[in-house]
Amino acid sequence: GENVEQHPSTLSVQEGDSAVIKCTYSDSASNYFPWYKQELGKRPQLIIDIRSNVGEKKDQRIAVTLNKTAKHFSLHITETQPEDSAVYFCAATYSGNTPLVFGKGTRLSVIA
Amino acid sequence: GAGVSQTPSNKVTEKGKYVELRCDPISGHTALYWYRQSLGQGPEFLIYFQGTGAADDSGLPNDRFFAVRPEGSVSTLKIQRTERGDSAVYLCASSPARGASEQFFGPGTRLTVL
Repeated sequence: GENVEQHPSTLSVQEGDSAVIKCTYSDSASNYFPWYKQELGKRPQLIIDIRSNVGEKKDQRIAVTLNKTAKHFSLHITETQPEDSAVYFCAATYSGNTPLVFGKGTRLSVIA
Repeated sequence: GAGVSQTPSNKVTEKGKYVELRCDPISGHTALYWYRQSLGQGPEFLIYFQGTGAADDSGLPNDRFFAVRPEGSVSTLKIQRTERGDSAVYLCASSPARGASEQFFGPGTRLTVL
């Protein structure tokens, strides 16, 4: 089955700097890769996703890149703000109705 | 519109007791997923429904865990003879249609087994 590895487990950046979180996956059949943000005690919220027919996707300060050959994808947050502080999870699945397989999460702290 | 809701938000029980956790998906969503999230970990898949039937229950850890979705909307996760190791946040998610991948999560039920 699919296995998703995520790193780093914790990341501290100064406000205004960029943050990068990386994930690798094992199943070459996976073709949908979402990123979720989870604040303490709250539900996971989808912030961006990418499908395997696209190499990069951007939404304001957030971007995701996908390298299918290497089986890795990354989340990039630019101009970080204190409200970006949260735990971020990557996930992978085959879009044909299979459950998400999550990474272990990255705790991002943005220091004002 | 309303998002995915889960009740109760917190459940404290004693070892050996039976518990039921409820999930109300977004109206019209045909796919419903149950995940379990332990402290400091990502959500782990338990079971997935497409309509009323369980399409994949390979994530259920043992036969103490069971879930139903009799009318294709609300789902109940049932845990018999609870153990301390069952303590976790149980998350429910739903998605709109077959082949659609975006999953919308509920707030979770925090289960504590004493």
